[in-house]
Amino acid sequence: GAGVSQSPSNKVTEKGKDVELRCDPISGHTALYWYRQSLGQGLEFLIYFQGNSAPDKSGLPSDRFSAERTGGSVSTLTIQRTQQEDSAVYLCASSLESGTGVAETQYFGPGTRLLVL
Amino acid sequence: AQKITQTQPGMFVQEKEAVTLDCTYDTSDQSYGLFWYKQPSSGEMIFLIYQGSYDEQNATEGRYSLNFQKARKSANLVISASQLGDSAMYFCAMREGLGGAQKLVFGQGTRLTINP
Repeated sequence: GAGVSQSPSNKVTEKGKDVELRCDPISGHTALYWYRQSLGQGLEFLIYFQGNSAPDKSGLPSDRFSAERTGGSVSTLTIQRTQQEDSAVYLCASSLESGTGVAETQYFGPGTRLLVL
Repeated sequence: AQKITQTQPGMFVQEKEAVTLDCTYDTSDQSYGLFWYKQPSSGEMIFLIYQGSYDEQNATEGRYSLNFQKARKSANLVISASQLGDSAMYFCAMREGLGGAQKLVFGQGTRLTINP
């Protein structure tokens, strides 16, 4: 079946502009996660959505970052007034909400490479 | 404090040799899960193997196995009979707490290069 998809694959923007990144999870996966990977680094958790529960926003680095998930499926990560330090790869993942053990595995999309000039 | 530590920034191995990538973790939870992901130069994160904290047997998936030493809080990835296509970044990650949706905490990764 189809995996996690993300768009755009690449985004170049000017400092101060807003950007929107989109994630389409695997069908049937009710948990959705956003991570950020700076150059040569590991992944940094940003936010996750779990079914109808309030999202865990504990990883968002500033109030310029926000995310929403409409209809329990597609999610959009918005970065307002972008800064150069926001340049990174933004990765989305999805998983079964109620899975345990290996069933809780998160599957990742290809990422969006964001460059802020 | 680092929750996941990968002490090998880079590893160089001859093709067909076995390789062990180190991972140690820090948690006070009794229930947790450990994951290894592969990230080739193309950038996608590929799930390799999972080990649950209550699993008594070491996980295996084809050429991948996880050497889980709970008392030492280590979860090393072993790749047998390495291939050129194994060249990539490898990340160890941990999920804390009970099942369901939980964030992953990642290590800094190890860059593995397989030489012909």
